[in-house]
Amino acid sequence: DTEVTQTPKHLVMGMTNKKSLKCEQHMGHRAMYWYKQKAKKPPELMFVYSYEKLSINESVPSRFSPECPNSSLLNLHLHALQPEDSALYLCASSQDPGLEIHEQYFGPGTRLTVT
Amino acid sequence: EDQVTQSPEALRLQEGESSSLNCSYTVSGLRGLFWYRQDPGKGPEFLFTLYSAGEEKEKERLKATLTKKESFLHITAPKPEDSATYLCAVQATKIKAAGNKLTFGGGTRVLVKP
Repeated sequence: DTEVTQTPKHLVMGMTNKKSLKCEQHMGHRAMYWYKQKAKKPPELMFVYSYEKLSINESVPSRFSPECPNSSLLNLHLHALQPEDSALYLCASSQDPGLEIHEQYFGPGTRLTVT
Repeated sequence: EDQVTQSPEALRLQEGESSSLNCSYTVSGLRGLFWYRQDPGKGPEFLFTLYSAGEEKEKERLKATLTKKESFLHITAPKPEDSATYLCAVQATKIKAAGNKLTFGGGTRVLVKP
């Protein structure tokens, strides 16, 4: 099973709202990722968690706050977003982020619209 | 800085008309090159990993190849269900002990007409 699940599928929020995106995987993967994807563009890496610790932050604004409560769950907390933050937010996971190369498996994404 | 360029940006094919997609890369030591398929509004679906020049992998009508500077995704006798955006991504030599960063190309949008 190579399934990564994400909730919700769609989210509309105002600029003053606080919301969270959730991601879950049960493949025993120890690396998890958040990506942002705009229309007709490739995914852009936002954050990487390795063994539940934040290992890469691609200079993402503080209005995006990631959290990894355990090895299976990844959250992205959203606060005071701007309309330009509207995009497809993708979660991905991969095996042990050690010396071996492992493919990343993506979830279906959350379509976020900021009004 | 790692760079990945895909061409063409868009490709229109008739059903059964074979073609190839190109992914050229400039990285500081390639560790792996990945091909993904993405349908509109969905997450990318993993297709292949290639590790070294000369390697080839096949899956149904798709065949991926790798040289020292580029990778090709060959689509043989495509069907309408092969219509999607195909993404190429590379993972370069690990600098940090933790974290796996992929650098994506811009993608090739493929439309196969019946």
